[in-house]
Amino acid sequence: DVKVTQSSRYLVKRTGEKVFLECVQDMDHENMFWYRQDPGLGLRLIYFSYDVKMKEKGDIPEGYSVSREKKERFSLILESASTNQTSMYLCASTLLQGVQETQYFGPGTRLLVL
Amino acid sequence: AQTVTQSQPEMSVQEAETVTLSCTYDTSESNYYLFWYKQPPSRQMILVIRQEAYKQQNATENRFSVNFQKAAKSFSLKISDSQLGDTAMYFCAFTPGGSQGNLIFGKGTKLSVKP
Repeated sequence: DVKVTQSSRYLVKRTGEKVFLECVQDMDHENMFWYRQDPGLGLRLIYFSYDVKMKEKGDIPEGYSVSREKKERFSLILESASTNQTSMYLCASTLLQGVQETQYFGPGTRLLVL
Repeated sequence: AQTVTQSQPEMSVQEAETVTLSCTYDTSESNYYLFWYKQPPSRQMILVIRQEAYKQQNATENRFSVNFQKAAKSFSLKISDSQLGDTAMYFCAFTPGGSQGNLIFGKGTKLSVKP
């Protein structure tokens, strides 16, 4: 079974802090994604990566950056956390690039910014 | 803009009955994939079913089936013999052709199965 893990289930941070959310997949997947999930808005793509050190902006990249130094790990960085970044963050991965690929999701990190 | 619309924010169904969740999408692409994902209260999102746009035959997975109407850009999910474990948020999603697999999600439908 594919396993996608996220470093924290719950996180509380203060405004202005730098926040790191980590995602690890154990199946040598090429593509990795970061989504933000908010009630009534569904999931929105923040960033994705199709290879080590490669990244592409999604629909809402403002206020976020990412890092992919190793194939199995994809980090989401909030440079200076703000209260409007309070949300559920979901990581996902796919084996290959392509429209037909199933995305495998992590359990999510619920972030509260005070 | 490519969008996915789920018009039913919440639905409920009695155990063992059938329920249909609606989804429409907007795209000018001819090649794409459509998906239904399920997110149970434990929050791990999993794939329920997927449909290739070039296939006319509706996809089925056990109790789950879709009604894919390409001309109408409609992709509804039918759950037969509903079970308590089907209680979850259901998201319709779409991957445009030529993309690298990034999904466009609808806002979700919260389904409650009642005993």
